[in-house]
Amino acid sequence: DADVTQTPRNRITKTGKRIMLECSQTKGHDRMYWYRQDPGLGLRLIYYSFDVKDINKGEISDGYSVSRQAQAKFSLSLESAIPNQTALYFCATSDIRGSGEQFFGPGTRLTVL
Amino acid sequence: AQSVTQPDIHITVSEGASLELRCNYSYGATPYLFWYVQSPGQGLQLLLKYFSGDTLVQGIKGFEAEFKRSQSSFNLRKPSVHWSDAAEYFCAVGPNTNAGKSTFGDGTTLTVKP
Repeated sequence: DADVTQTPRNRITKTGKRIMLECSQTKGHDRMYWYRQDPGLGLRLIYYSFDVKDINKGEISDGYSVSRQAQAKFSLSLESAIPNQTALYFCATSDIRGSGEQFFGPGTRLTVL
Repeated sequence: AQSVTQPDIHITVSEGASLELRCNYSYGATPYLFWYVQSPGQGLQLLLKYFSGDTLVQGIKGFEAEFKRSQSSFNLRKPSVHWSDAAEYFCAVGPNTNAGKSTFGDGTTLTVKP
């Protein structure tokens, strides 16, 4: 079984809809991250969490919110989706005792019409 | 602030040829450096990492990278490319205190010609 899972894997929604992307991990890592990937722009950090009570904004947090429900779960919400939020979204984890290596989920492809 | 530059957006090589992907970083001290690979439809997978010691690091799938402090570079190499190496490659830099987060480059797409 995959260590970092994301649901859904694909989602098509309409402008103005609220949508939640979920991430679960079985690696026992404290740190979790949400990124979006757009062609030619690499990975941009949306939010990150170093433990359940620690949530931090990344470089592109506007229009997004997160919830760290437990050590193993980190959800990303788009309160009112807009077309320029169409992208590939990745969840990742890392171990505070490690060297910063991140472990990625398979990604969620989100299309906002 | 830390940053990463991957100067080559797209590289094409013939199968069996050697490969070098460039990565330049900006960081105030000795950083942690990473190379990740993203195959089509997949998440990112770590190829190799550097955080101390020998400046030539070996990774999975026959890849290696060399940390050159004087050039602020961490280039990825492979002596003989296989068709299955076609993917997108990301260089990343992170703080050596492990108190922060990594910054990723924009990626280099590798195409392998038969």
